[in-house]
Amino acid sequence: QSALTQPASVSGSPGQSITISCTGTSSDVGGYNFVSWYQHHPGKAPKVMIYDVSKRPSGVSNRFSGSKSGNTASLTISGLQAEDEADYYCISYTSSITWVFGGGTKLTVL
Amino acid sequence: QVQLVESGGGVVQPGGSLRLSCAASGFTFKNYGMHWVRQAPGKGLEWVAFIRYDGSNKSYADSVKGRFSISRDNSKNSLYLQMNSLRVVDTAVYHCAKVSGLNWFDPWGQGTLVTVSS
Repeated sequence: QSALTQPASVSGSPGQSITISCTGTSSDVGGYNFVSWYQHHPGKAPKVMIYDVSKRPSGVSNRFSGSKSGNTASLTISGLQAEDEADYYCISYTSSITWVFGGGTKLTVL
Repeated sequence: QVQLVESGGGVVQPGGSLRLSCAASGFTFKNYGMHWVRQAPGKGLEWVAFIRYDGSNKSYADSVKGRFSISRDNSKNSLYLQMNSLRVVDTAVYHCAKVSGLNWFDPWGQGTLVTVSS
């Protein structure tokens, strides 16, 4: 159950786009379309932003989008806003009938 | 609205036990699988355990297998995590989360802090 690999940090200016990658293996990210992404502000409950690789829950801005290629999933945030600054985590279902998180990415809006 | 509220956290010595609870409201609890997820201080989120809606299937992270046990009481709309043989590295905020759709977590509770220290 090794953690999925995410960059420790990314940054961008307001209005720009950023992409956060999430790399696993064929036993997790590559094997299932069950990757979801969560936004976490310290001290608050995490919030789902993308599920099933690329689907957006009701109420989540369309500035958030998800995709997957092989063993790597990606979260793209376009038109960056100050309130997007947070920690972002990916999680995937695995062939062991368990779930594994990425290490988390701190997004800084410059 | 859908709400999850964790309780039972506290300070415990290494080797000790603790039982966490998660009270669910605003949805038909017996129809949904549930997870426990934790976050150690300064670290990322770590999936801990899952239980099927009817309690018939459970799975655990390797880091807690054999020490932690997830359970539920659908008559009380409650989820539990029995934690035994606690270690310093188990110190974390523990969140419960409801399964949504096929395989995502929504919503999450605010969490309860467990501190393992001598």
